[in-house]
Amino acid sequence: DAKTTQPTSMDCAEGRAANLPCNHSTISGNEYVYWYRQIHSQGPQYIIHGLKNNETNEMASLIITEDRKSSTLILPHATLRDTAVYYCIVQGGTALIFGKGTTLSVSS
Amino acid sequence: SQTIHQWPATLVQPVGSPLSLECTVEGTSNPNLYWYRQAAGRGLQLLFYSVGIGQISSEVPQNLSASRPQDRQFILSSKKLLLSDSGFYLCAWRDYNEQFFGPGTRLTVL
Repeated sequence: DAKTTQPTSMDCAEGRAANLPCNHSTISGNEYVYWYRQIHSQGPQYIIHGLKNNETNEMASLIITEDRKSSTLILPHATLRDTAVYYCIVQGGTALIFGKGTTLSVSS
Repeated sequence: SQTIHQWPATLVQPVGSPLSLECTVEGTSNPNLYWYRQAAGRGLQLLFYSVGIGQISSEVPQNLSASRPQDRQFILSSKKLLLSDSGFYLCAWRDYNEQFFGPGTRLTVL
């Protein structure tokens, strides 16, 4: 079973920041937090991952709380193409276990 | 650069027929390989993973099987398809930090 809890859906206006929360209260010390997204009818796409520190790349920022029990994925300027299902995954083993994710709908 | 191929892209099969889906990876050696399935309106379910030739771990017992005859080849099979086997089948490989997914095979069992 997935070790994370995410809201089922979220809406965001185009051009605004999208902040997607994730709870992972049972995370172990050696487990990373990964974020993937899946656009309809495609395979999931890697976004970002982190262990303890906040991370930023060209796609997004990942903010992890100090106790590591939750995190937030930030898309700084959402576009219509960011509409997708976003998966927060805690991974310490060989395979990624996907939960149900958050469906983000970006509208103009 | 690494590339992952899956075929066929779409497949329509009758109930009770056999299945063989193939996945190959280029540009890497000894990758961890994975098969996932996504039923309509559902999340991704991990079916099998392999850390090397001939090494298969099954996550969910069912009428599917997997084989890894070569380092960069991963095959998903069934002797007799069920209606519930319909879905989007994704192959993936993993490097140190990221898991990369193939284009997928959409299987419809009628």
